[in-house]
Amino acid sequence: KAGVTQTPRYLIKTRGQQVTLSCSPISGHRSVSWYQQTPGQGLQFLFEYFSETQRNKGNFPGRFSGRQFSNSRSEMNVSTLELGDSALYLCASSLVSMVGGAGGEAFFGQGTRLTVV
Amino acid sequence: AQTVTQSQPEMSVQEAETVTLSCTYDTSESNYYLFWYKQPPSRQMILVIRQEAYKQQNATENRFSVNFQKAAKSFSLKISDSQLGDTAMYFCAFMKFHNDMRFGAGTRLTVKP
Repeated sequence: KAGVTQTPRYLIKTRGQQVTLSCSPISGHRSVSWYQQTPGQGLQFLFEYFSETQRNKGNFPGRFSGRQFSNSRSEMNVSTLELGDSALYLCASSLVSMVGGAGGEAFFGQGTRLTVV
Repeated sequence: AQTVTQSQPEMSVQEAETVTLSCTYDTSESNYYLFWYKQPPSRQMILVIRQEAYKQQNATENRFSVNFQKAAKSFSLKISDSQLGDTAMYFCAFMKFHNDMRFGAGTRLTVKP
């Protein structure tokens, strides 16, 4: 069974640009959550999508958005990039929704390393 | 708000020995889940062990076990017979029902040969 796939693995962008990251969950999983990992702030929850609906959102500005497609693949978009957006972005898939479910195990991808210059 | 505290930024242990990583959390909830995740240099987060708060019995997974003290809001991870492949960042995470996971700052564990 294939794991969680995140593309691209590495990305370099310039301030002010926008970026789209992709996450393909494990087959059959309907929940995709996104996390930002930085040395200073650690792992912070961005949002969760389940069955194409955003179920929960962390404390991030509106520049961070996402969506989920009918095949459960999810994309995360960051507009007007800032230097502080440089981070490892991790997505996690689970069978049940983190919000509506009961502590379903989350499987993580290897992340996308975004560098903003 | 729920917070998770890992008070040991770095730890080291000799191969084959036992090490315990500490984690405390703050919550007013009575039902929740606790997790330990491992993040090796490959960056992929891997679930090590999980504990449901309503279960009094401590979870174990092979060489990994936890000491869950609900009243003290403590959730430590014990790694027995440490192996070189255990070298990684270890994150403690808390999740209350119907909510997202909150992670601690992590403990960098180095297993020395």
